[in-house]
Amino acid sequence: EADIYQTPRYLVIGTGKKITLECSQTMGHDKMYWYQQDPGMELHLIHYSYGVNSTEKGDLSSESTVSRIRTEHFPLTLESARPSHTSQYLCASSGGTGGHEQFFGPGTRLTVL
Amino acid sequence: AQTVTQSQPEMSVQEAETVTLSCTYDTSESDYYLFWYKQPPSRQMILVIRQEAYKQQNATENRFSVNFQKAAKSFSLKISDSQLGDAAMYFCARGSNYKLTFGKGTLLTVNP
Repeated sequence: EADIYQTPRYLVIGTGKKITLECSQTMGHDKMYWYQQDPGMELHLIHYSYGVNSTEKGDLSSESTVSRIRTEHFPLTLESARPSHTSQYLCASSGGTGGHEQFFGPGTRLTVL
Repeated sequence: AQTVTQSQPEMSVQEAETVTLSCTYDTSESDYYLFWYKQPPSRQMILVIRQEAYKQQNATENRFSVNFQKAAKSFSLKISDSQLGDAAMYFCARGSNYKLTFGKGTLLTVNP
């Protein structure tokens, strides 16, 4: 079944640790996105990619980085996590005949102590 | 910055009644899309309904319909026969150049 997956769903780590949030989709989409969302608040675009080896920064400045080596995979990395990075991170994808419609993963809730 | 505004942080409705959520946006684009997304508590964001700006006819999906006023840059969502499962945060979004801009959301409570 076509879907978009994120792991881990929940992550609690200490300050200074390096983390990678995984996002994969089996929908055959060429475009992928990362959003940051504080609880009950709006979504802010932090990274996006329109295809393999293409990545761009979004509207909200973020210390995270992303890579797009495979079409279906779009991981997000924080080299040194800080408490200010505590948030929910949502991955999304779009493409094909859906046009601008984006499909979202379940999210990763990150807490940095 | 081109913005999306949801002026109602919270709304409540009685089960089986109708509720309308408001959304206004600004844009300089002629080609864009509008969406309503639903995010239940601790659950995945899902698309409720979409509207292409070039289409004059208002989109409808079962109990969900929109009132799209292009000149006024208004895009409201009407939920008919509200159900307990409709309780969620609702986000209005504008899409252009394959990116979405979201409003701050409206928290909808459905009272039994």
